[in-house]
Amino acid sequence: DQQVKQNSPSLSVQEGRISILNCDYTNSMFDYFLWYKKYPAEGPTFLISISSIKDKNEDGRFTVFLNKSAKHLSLHIVPSQPGDSAVYFCAASARASSRDDKIIFGKGTRLHILP
Amino acid sequence: GAVVSQHPSWVICKSGTSVKIECRSLDFQATTMFWYRQFPKQSLMLMATSNEGSKATYEQGVEKDKFLINHASLTLSTLTVTSAHPEDSSFYICSAVTGVNSPLHFGNGTRLTVT
Repeated sequence: DQQVKQNSPSLSVQEGRISILNCDYTNSMFDYFLWYKKYPAEGPTFLISISSIKDKNEDGRFTVFLNKSAKHLSLHIVPSQPGDSAVYFCAASARASSRDDKIIFGKGTRLHILP
Repeated sequence: GAVVSQHPSWVICKSGTSVKIECRSLDFQATTMFWYRQFPKQSLMLMATSNEGSKATYEQGVEKDKFLINHASLTLSTLTVTSAHPEDSSFYICSAVTGVNSPLHFGNGTRLTVT
């Protein structure tokens, strides 16, 4: 049973436009959400996170929106740049109810920024 | 920032041999380290959680006798794939945290190919 779902395996966006990556989750105990970016043959790097007490978190070109009632979050990248081409993983954890920092990852969405 | 070094970055071995992968936190003490496996076009799957000085906690379906994890110190965890088979070929990634609710820092991963 997939608890974190990224239903779009790939996405192509024109350079300069907005990239929107979506993520859905099923576990209502999740209270902390993260986005990671991954280049081929490298480990993921942390991008941005959001706690369930918030509905928006912004860091430079990256904004994460959380809709708890819909169990949905999204990552907005604006403006999109060529270096943003990578695989983006949505991840979630249940910090309040878990004794460790186990993080559940989605399958990832490959983002292509077109020149 | 916090750096996690994973070694080797790639390894090719013959079926039946064992392979050891090291994960080191270079500039911080990692209370907990995680080992992930990534199959092509699939998510990062958590294999096990290791805490320094104690036995690793394996996820359901992960063979603990096949994937030996040793967290000997606060800066080093090792994953040994014993009696490797071609189906063990994958990309293995470690991550480390400094404490509860702290960010995950990932290694660059190890590409294992078993022939």
